Amino acid sequence: DIQMTQSPSSLSASVGDRVTITCQASQDISNYLNWYQQKPGKAPKLLIYDASNLETGVPSRFSGSGSGTDFTFTISSLQPEDIATYYCQQYDNLPSWTFGQGTKVEIK
Amino acid sequence: EVQLVESGGGLVKPGGSLRLSCAASGFTFSSYSMNWVRQAPGKGLEWVSSISSSSSYIYYADSVKGRFTISRDNAKNSLYLQMNSLRAEDTAVYYCARGKSGIAAIDYWGQGTLVTVSS
Repeated sequence: DIQMTQSPSSLSASVGDRVTITCQASQDISNYLNWYQQKPGKAPKLLIYDASNLETGVPSRFSGSGSGTDFTFTISSLQPEDIATYYCQQYDNLPSWTFGQGTKVEIK
Repeated sequence: EVQLVESGGGLVKPGGSLRLSCAASGFTFSSYSMNWVRQAPGKGLEWVSSISSSSSYIYYADSVKGRFTISRDNAKNSLYLQMNSLRAEDTAVYYCARGKSGIAAIDYWGQGTLVTVSS
């Protein structure tokens, strides 16, 4: 099974800061990686698909990059409404999907 | 507007059964793959099962294989998850989720239904 290691598990940053989350796959997954945002008490929301494609309607301050085993998710300027837990999800070894452990983002 | 509304969750004893339902609206249900994803209290997301648009392809996570059965009724715009031989570790919020067309991602999620397995 492909394991996804997401880091950090939590972070605290100030409004306007650049925030970066990484996700490392245990083997090459090409660009088969998605990123989701989950606000407290809510269902997740797709932000980025295929490593770097912004889902329709998602603000451009969110971005993703990477391929192979190393991926990065970035919020260019953290906003109060971005407080959430973020998950990566790989789909290289279909039909099985694997999510990362999540990164909780808080405001300092 | 795409809507996915789960129902059927509740408290069940270990070894018991439960059937979850998901009512879909706002899109052509028969054109999309559908999924169940769960989240144990305070934990991360776990993919449970997927079903293709015509039910031709069905997949399960190893953790539920042989115990859970996914199905759909395109005439009723509904998705189901029959859960048997439930264990304490199956306790979670279960989300009904639509597969994004052409991509192995989820573009719409329901609000979730809580399943608690406890004696």
